[in-house]
Amino acid sequence: GNSVTQMEGPVTLSEEAFLTINCTYTATGYPSLFWYVQYPGEGLQLLLKATKADDKGSNKGFEATYRKETTSFHLEKGSVQVSDSAVYFCALSKAAGNKLTFGGGTRVLVKP
Amino acid sequence: SAVISQKPSRDICQRGTSLTIQCQVDSQVTMMFWYRQQPGQSLTLIATANQGSEATYESGFVIDKFPISRPNLTFSTLTVSNMSPEDSSIYLCSVDGTSGSRETQYFGPGTRLLVL
Repeated sequence: GNSVTQMEGPVTLSEEAFLTINCTYTATGYPSLFWYVQYPGEGLQLLLKATKADDKGSNKGFEATYRKETTSFHLEKGSVQVSDSAVYFCALSKAAGNKLTFGGGTRVLVKP
Repeated sequence: SAVISQKPSRDICQRGTSLTIQCQVDSQVTMMFWYRQQPGQSLTLIATANQGSEATYESGFVIDKFPISRPNLTFSTLTVSNMSPEDSSIYLCSVDGTSGSRETQYFGPGTRLLVL
């Protein structure tokens, strides 16, 4: 079956540090890949997505590139802010209308 | 993206009772999904709700425990029946995107349920 594995947290960083959250997946074919963010006490927000190999998703300074050869979709941000403190979820979907398969989530804490 | 609201936003319930959670979307959508997020955990799909047909449940979830309605293209309800403390979770509904982006799902703010 499909699965998503992401690095365990918590990840604690200082403001303006570089953030990387690793995500790898197992699925046949070419799934669509997503990063969602959950701020404290809130629901999930779509952060970025990529729907085919070598696509780069980007939003709010975050980037992730769909790497078919390594089945990865690592999330990066060059300079984090305290407001980036949240839980980040990597997810995949095999097709439109299909369920999302989520990774375990990575809690990120950015300290001033 | 669609604007999704859920009611109630949170509730504290006694064991053995039932709670119905509503999900309202500001535009017509094809697919609506219900997920559970247990404390400190990731999201697990409970069921997929299509308008005009029975919901499709994932392994480990049954209709008697989590009955779902989907009366139209903008609304769905999830009932958590005969609750126990193990049902304490965040329940989130999501919808698929518009034409051309249907692989993307957008989430409501969630319903935080505590069962005593």
